[in-house]
Amino acid sequence: KAGVTQTPRYLIKTRGQQVTLSCSPISGHRSVSWYQQTPGQGLQFLFEYFSETQRNKGNFPGRFSGRQFSNSRSEMNVSTLELGDSALYLCATSRQGRNTGELFFGEGSRLTVL
Amino acid sequence: QQPVQSPQAVILREGEDAVINCSSSKALYSVHWYRQKHGEAPVFLMILLKGGEQKGHEKISASFNEKKQQSSLYLTASQLSYSGTYFCGTEEGGSEKLVFGKGTKLTVNP
Repeated sequence: KAGVTQTPRYLIKTRGQQVTLSCSPISGHRSVSWYQQTPGQGLQFLFEYFSETQRNKGNFPGRFSGRQFSNSRSEMNVSTLELGDSALYLCATSRQGRNTGELFFGEGSRLTVL
Repeated sequence: QQPVQSPQAVILREGEDAVINCSSSKALYSVHWYRQKHGEAPVFLMILLKGGEQKGHEKISASFNEKKQQSSLYLTASQLSYSGTYFCGTEEGGSEKLVFGKGTKLTVNP
């Protein structure tokens, strides 16, 4: 069975630009969560979507946004990129429909902001 | 509230044991453990619900002391394949949000 698919895997942007990352969950998984991973901070929770609705949000500025489509695929967007946004962005999906069930992670999208 | 993990890093020889701790200042509903190998996605190990439940996964087990808001991950007779970064994730009661610690890097040498 296919795993969680994230695209693109790598991307380079410059300050001020915006970026959109995509996550396709495992079939039947309706909850999609996004995490930012950096060496110093570990995994930081961005937000979680379920049935096209944002159910939970972490402590990130409004430049970080997301959405979920009717097929459960999710996108996250970061506008006005800053150097500090360079990170690995991980998507995790859940079968149970709650963010806190077993999470299946994608391999991530590595963003570099120059 | 991000949980605190200790130690930050540990180096073992194959066959040795290790304990990784995770603590929170908030009342917890559950604790989750994941392992991430270098360049790979985090992989689920186990979930512990409040009640002091102890669970096992191969030679890896964990405990959860809800009164102290602490969890410990026990790795016995470590194998080379145990190398990686271990993350604990905590769910505060009613939040339905999983918050991860900064991770503990475990290196197992031959």
